[in-house]
Amino acid sequence: DIVMTQSPDSLAVSLGERATVSCKSSQTVLYSSNSKSSLAWYQQKPGQPPNLLIYWASTRESGVPDRFSGSGSGTDFTLTISSLQAEDVALYYCQQYYRTPYTFGQGTKLEI
Amino acid sequence: QVQLVQSGSELKKPGASVKVSCKASGYTLTKYALNWVRQAPGQGLEWMGWINTITENPTYARAFTGRFVFSLDTSVNTAYLQISSLTAEDTAVYYCARPSLDGYNYYFDYWGQGTLVTVSS
Repeated sequence: DIVMTQSPDSLAVSLGERATVSCKSSQTVLYSSNSKSSLAWYQQKPGQPPNLLIYWASTRESGVPDRFSGSGSGTDFTLTISSLQAEDVALYYCQQYYRTPYTFGQGTKLEI
Repeated sequence: QVQLVQSGSELKKPGASVKVSCKASGYTLTKYALNWVRQAPGQGLEWMGWINTITENPTYARAFTGRFVFSLDTSVNTAYLQISSLTAEDTAVYYCARPSLDGYNYYFDYWGQGTLVTVSS
């Protein structure tokens, strides 16, 4: 199975500052047919299901604020929130969909 | 609009079974794959597997073989997760999730609201 490891486990950032979450996969998730990495990012707030933010490592889902961005390729990925807003307090998960079983990172708790 | 509406919370005794439903609206169930994801209390997300809604062939992650069954009733546009021989370790929120692209089981853009299954004597 592909193991997804996020860092840090928790992160406190001031309002308006940049937040960065890292995700590493135990093997490449680069999909050769389209040269894109099969990596998604989700945001989860308490009592709610996860919400898709980013797919193919860097494509922002429709309706997601442009302060959210994803980068990386192969095995190393980053989710960046350029200017933290109060409503961004949540858990963030990366997920690989390169190969089943699909696997998630352990989550990163983002606080103010 | 697309929605996945799950059945309500369940309280079960150890050894019992439970069946969670996930009713799709706004689209035809057979157009997209359907995944199941578990979240134990205070824990992360765990992909349980998926069901091919055309062939009704399920694929289970290793930890979810034996006691877990994915099924469909296409006449009511609904998917089901059945868990038998429940133990306290099955206490969790169970989500159904639909991939964004028809024909490809990739990232999930629609999720059910979750069903809390509590196993306690």
